[in-house]
Amino acid sequence: EAGVTQFPSHSVIEKGQTVTLRCDPISGHDNLYWYRRVMGKEIKFLLHFVKESKQDESGMPNNRFLAERTGGTYSTLKVQPAELEDSGVYFCASSQAIVPQGGDGYTFGSGTRLTVV
Amino acid sequence: QKEVEQDPGPLSVPEGAIVSLNCTYSNSAFQYFMWYRQYSRKGPELLMYTYSSGNKEDGRFTAQVDKSSKYISLFIRDSQPSDSATYLCAMSEASGGSYIPTFGRGTSLIVHP
Repeated sequence: EAGVTQFPSHSVIEKGQTVTLRCDPISGHDNLYWYRRVMGKEIKFLLHFVKESKQDESGMPNNRFLAERTGGTYSTLKVQPAELEDSGVYFCASSQAIVPQGGDGYTFGSGTRLTVV
Repeated sequence: QKEVEQDPGPLSVPEGAIVSLNCTYSNSAFQYFMWYRQYSRKGPELLMYTYSSGNKEDGRFTAQVDKSSKYISLFIRDSQPSDSATYLCAMSEASGGSYIPTFGRGTSLIVHP
């Protein structure tokens, strides 16, 4: 079974530019989550998709961030325009159950390291 | 006060040592307690989880939860260089509450030969 795939693995962009991150969840996983880790800080929740619908987007920092999951398969996270404080590692995770019991069945991708200069 | 507190380390131990990793939390609604291991340039990988209080053992790893003290621990026996990684605790509420895990900062563990 293929895992959660994210790309690019690393992106360096200038402040003000646009970047789009992509996540391919495990096949058959309806639930897809985006997280972010800023250097030295905790991994923070951004949002949760159930299929193509946004179940919870309470963690999205501001309207410069736009997440989509057309067709309920892969998801994209666009940052436009990027700011210096957006630098960090963006993780995607997927699960079969909407409530992964204690994290069981909750699989993370390797992340996209975003550097805004 | 942060919901989950975890000392970032690094914690450096010799091979074979017993390692103790800990987290404290403030939200009494947390019911699921998880430990993730993250190798460099990789995503977090679930090691084990416990529900409510008590201990859980899996090979060289033991997870303990003390809800009265709001304190959780992960013990690693006979530590190996391959255990060198960042260990993150995470917690979530039970069904009906917020199921989204809240993570600690992670503790960097180095096991040297």
